[in-house]
Formats: sequence, structure tokens, C-alpha cells
Amino acid sequence: DQQVKQNSPSLSVQEGRISILNCDYTNSMFDYFLWYKKYPAEGPTFLISISSIKDKNEDGRFTVFLNKSAKHLSLHIVPSQPGDSAVYFCAASLNTDKLIFGTGTRLQVFP
Amino acid sequence: GAVVSQHPSWVICKSGTSVKIECRSLDFQATTMFWYRQFPKQSLMLMATSNEGSKATYEQGVEKDKFLINHASLTLSTLTVTSAHPEDSSFYICSAAPDRPSYEQYFGPGTRLTVT
Repeated sequence: DQQVKQNSPSLSVQEGRISILNCDYTNSMFDYFLWYKKYPAEGPTFLISISSIKDKNEDGRFTVFLNKSAKHLSLHIVPSQPGDSAVYFCAASLNTDKLIFGTGTRLQVFP
Repeated sequence: GAVVSQHPSWVICKSGTSVKIECRSLDFQATTMFWYRQFPKQSLMLMATSNEGSKATYEQGVEKDKFLINHASLTLSTLTVTSAHPEDSSFYICSAAPDRPSYEQYFGPGTRLTVT
């Protein structure tokens, strides 16, 4: 039972354009959401997070949007840069010590 | 800040032997440490949660007698894979959280275990 889903396994975007990564969840009790970036053979790196009481959080080129009614969140990266190429995971927390991760989306930013 | 290290970064062992993986928070004290496992092209699956000085809490389906976790201090947790088999070959990642609730975890670089 996958409670956090990333339905697009890969995404290819031209440098300078916007990258939009999507994540859907099933448990309405999740109260905190996070995005992580991961390179092969490395641990994930925290990018940005959002509380369930908010609908938007912005940090530089990264913005996360949360639509609670649709149980959907998205990560926008603008402008996209080649260094952004990596696997992105969304994760959700139930105000406990657990994070439940999605399956990841591989982003490739080409020149 | 918030650096987590893992040792070793990769290890190859023979079937039936045990392997210990260390996870250290280098510049902060970790209230809680977590152990994850990732298979190729799959998500990170939480194996267990450990708090300093207490027994680890294992996720459903994870054998606690096979994956021994010790959280000896606020900066060190170890995962021992006992009697390893080829199906235990995987990428093991630890994370550490300085506060509760542990929303923002800082991850180690991972350990690639190959059992031959």
C-alpha cells in the first residue's frame, strides 16, 4: 500500500525552463511534507518542506505547493539548471518520527 | 552543519557472515536515528527507528533478530546485518533528527552492501 506516490518516474526539462514534480498521497492525516534530492549512491538531501496548514512555501528557485483537498503537492524549480538533475523524493510525516517516501522522479535538465 | 556520516561506504561479505554499519551525527546530537533500505530504482523503505538508550522500533516485516540496531549515544547508531544472505544486498541509509518531531532528518551518504 503506497501512501505516497510519484506517478512520473522521469522528467526531462530544458535548462532555464520550469520543472514541475508531482506527488500524491492518500492519508489525509499527514501534516508535514518534504522534498529531498538524491544523487546515485548518496543519501537524500533536504530541499524544502511545507506544513499542512499552508498551501505554499518558497525558497529561492524552489517552491512547494500543497492542495489538501486533492491530496496533491508539487515542487516547482525555476529556472531549472543542469545541476538540478537528480532523483527527487517527496515524503510525508504523521507528526511522529516516521517519514514515508514516494517512489521518486528522475529529473534531467538538458542544455 | 547537520552532517551525518556512515561507515563503511561499501562492503562485500560472504554469505553467513555479519556486517556492522555505523552512523554518526558529526555536529549535532540526534534525538532519533533512522535506518532505511533502498533497492534499485525504488523508494527508501524505513526499517527501524532508534532512540538513544532504548530499544529500536522495527517496521512491520523487518526481522529484528537479523537487523540488530544499537543506539549507544546521541551521536552514534549501528546496524548489524547478521548471517547475511545475497537477498540482503542493498543500499542502507541512516538519518538523524536533532529534534522532535523528527520532520527534518539529515541523511548519511549510504552504505552499499553486497553479499556473495
